[in-house]
Amino acid sequence: SAVISQKPSRDICQRGTSLTIQCQVDSQVTMMFWYRQQPGQSLTLIATANQGSEATYESGFVIDKFPISRPNLTFSTLTVSNMSPEDSSIYLCSVGTGGIYGYTFGSGTRLTVV
Amino acid sequence: QKEVEQNSGPLSVPEGAIASLNCTYSDRGSQSFFWYRQYSGKSPELIMSIYSNGDKEDGRFTAQLNKASQYVSLLIRDSQPSDSATYLCAVRVTGANNLFFGTGTRLTVIP
Repeated sequence: SAVISQKPSRDICQRGTSLTIQCQVDSQVTMMFWYRQQPGQSLTLIATANQGSEATYESGFVIDKFPISRPNLTFSTLTVSNMSPEDSSIYLCSVGTGGIYGYTFGSGTRLTVV
Repeated sequence: QKEVEQNSGPLSVPEGAIASLNCTYSDRGSQSFFWYRQYSGKSPELIMSIYSNGDKEDGRFTAQLNKASQYVSLLIRDSQPSDSATYLCAVRVTGANNLFFGTGTRLTVIP
């Protein structure tokens, strides 16, 4: 299964600012997924990052707030824009095909907005 | 609607006992099922996947799938304190590439 390097691992940010989270995969993957995990909650899909096309966002998430880049098959970024305390969460990238190796997650970015 | 439901727990079992974790899903088009373990402050780690009705065993873990009842479970035999974590059930439905997650069951194994 793929190995994902995600950074930063954590950050404390001022409201109104933006943070960009990076995920680097050790192999080429067609799709990457960005999830959010709010405190004590399960994982919610933000968007699917597709190489060569715009990301596909889930209901409740918009590109202006969570712009995503996918310049190649091994790398993606998620930006959390104009942050508010409600954006405090863990953000996770994930790759996989749903086959026997399932889906792999990055180590996560713990974001606190003050 | 692609709901995945789990008993949030907490579930407490003594060391050496069998822990039973349950999950139901609403979409009959679901085709792949996964169990993830998540330690506090860590990212989810895949421990089992299952695609066909019946049981699948891997060491101390057994996943059970019943598509007719839309039910998937995870049994952990000889539970150890190191098994204490939140267990997330995840489902991949036909036509979707991502996973849908349940809310997780928090398991505590008491020494």
